[in-house]
Amino acid sequence: QSVLTQPPSVSAAPGQKVTISCSGSSSNIGNNHVSWFQQLPGTAPKLLIFDNNKRPSGIPDRLSGSKSGTSATLGITGLQTGDEADYYCGSWDGSLSVYVFGTGTKVTVL
Amino acid sequence: EVQLVESGGGLVQPGGSLRLSCTASGFTIATDWMHWVRQAPGKGLEWVANIKPDGSQKYYVDSVKGRFTISRDNTKNSLYLQMSSLRVEDTAIYFCAKAIAAYTSAWGQGTLVTVSS
Repeated sequence: QSVLTQPPSVSAAPGQKVTISCSGSSSNIGNNHVSWFQQLPGTAPKLLIFDNNKRPSGIPDRLSGSKSGTSATLGITGLQTGDEADYYCGSWDGSLSVYVFGTGTKVTVL
Repeated sequence: EVQLVESGGGLVQPGGSLRLSCTASGFTIATDWMHWVRQAPGKGLEWVANIKPDGSQKYYVDSVKGRFTISRDNTKNSLYLQMSSLRVEDTAIYFCAKAIAAYTSAWGQGTLVTVSS
């Protein structure tokens, strides 16, 4: 059972913007960094955002991350068909001493 | 090229054991925390365990504590997951990952473990 809650799905037309929320608690997001992962169908997860808002090399600036209190948000602008995937947030939980993933959000490009 | 390759998955009966391996190429794992993450069919990601670069600290999700053991051999650039007392609910694709939430993050393609009689 995940301790980070995400909406099951979000959708928008090509070129538009979507945001994905991730709600946690003081033991995880509230006191630790948040990361975001993309999982294309049938592939391994890929890191998109780390340390709340930093992008690894090769990740376009269409993707952005933010954190406020015990919640985090991933934004994707200029939506493309290639962005259709499952997206997960993640954070270390200091109380449980485990890494926790969000419930996952499926992004659909209309 | 940075690559992680898992092996050792397969079909095992409930109560059985399996040892997963993850071999790295193109980089050394000696400086990174290493992780195992699993994904049951049609489900989300579940973090399983991680291990400090020198192997001195290990953490596990509650559901596998006492049954799974994570280990590493930095001289062989490899990560392992010894799984015992396997249950049907352990059926999943198991991914190994380095530096799961850092700039140098990398994931393997996964190996399927099926626990069934």
